Amino acid sequence: RKEVEQDPGPFNVPEGATVAFNCTYSNSASQSFFWYRQDCRKEPKLLMSVYSSGNEDGRFTAQLNRASQYISLLIRDSKLSDSATYLCVVTSYNQGGKLIFGQGTELSVKP
Amino acid sequence: DGGITQSPKYLFRKEGQNVTLSCEQNLNHDAMYWYRQDPGQGLRLIYYSQIVNDFQKGDIAEGYSVSREKKESFPLTVTSAQKNPTAFYLCASSLLQGDQPQHFGDGTRLSIL
Repeated sequence: RKEVEQDPGPFNVPEGATVAFNCTYSNSASQSFFWYRQDCRKEPKLLMSVYSSGNEDGRFTAQLNRASQYISLLIRDSKLSDSATYLCVVTSYNQGGKLIFGQGTELSVKP
Repeated sequence: DGGITQSPKYLFRKEGQNVTLSCEQNLNHDAMYWYRQDPGQGLRLIYYSQIVNDFQKGDIAEGYSVSREKKESFPLTVTSAQKNPTAFYLCASSLLQGDQPQHFGDGTRLSIL
């Protein structure tokens, strides 16, 4: 089983749609959680950190469920510019703080 | 502006040749990392360093070597022992304290001639 698993993509949605990405992690000692965005042939860029109480940044909402070892990212009113691959990332103090990346979920927003 | 600079952007390697990828950061970050990304796949950790003159193997260190002589620099050498070096190489850095995310350079694409 992979340490971090994401929904297999791609997700193809129309502009204005709401889309949700799911991610599960296997290490119960995981401490920090992030969503990164990666455009085609570019480096990953931090989208948002994920906090236990859940957090929102504009159209983006991240949720964490430690009991189920599950993270989600919700994008509301999707824009063409949201098209990218979204990476779920987890760190664990018992692994020296290394980032563990999911394989990514590709999103394509169509007009 | 502060950031992470990788060079070159594109690199071609001949059979049996060692090549070195540069990574420099002026963010005063303690930790630096090298990842490899193959098409359609996630990032895999090659090496990381949390302090000058110290570094640790990641999940796929074979065929690679690194050095950390200065805080701001973490070069990666792809040796001839790495039989499948064609990939997108990403360098990242972060602060060590707390739940700090990593920030990435814009990558080096390595191909075999």
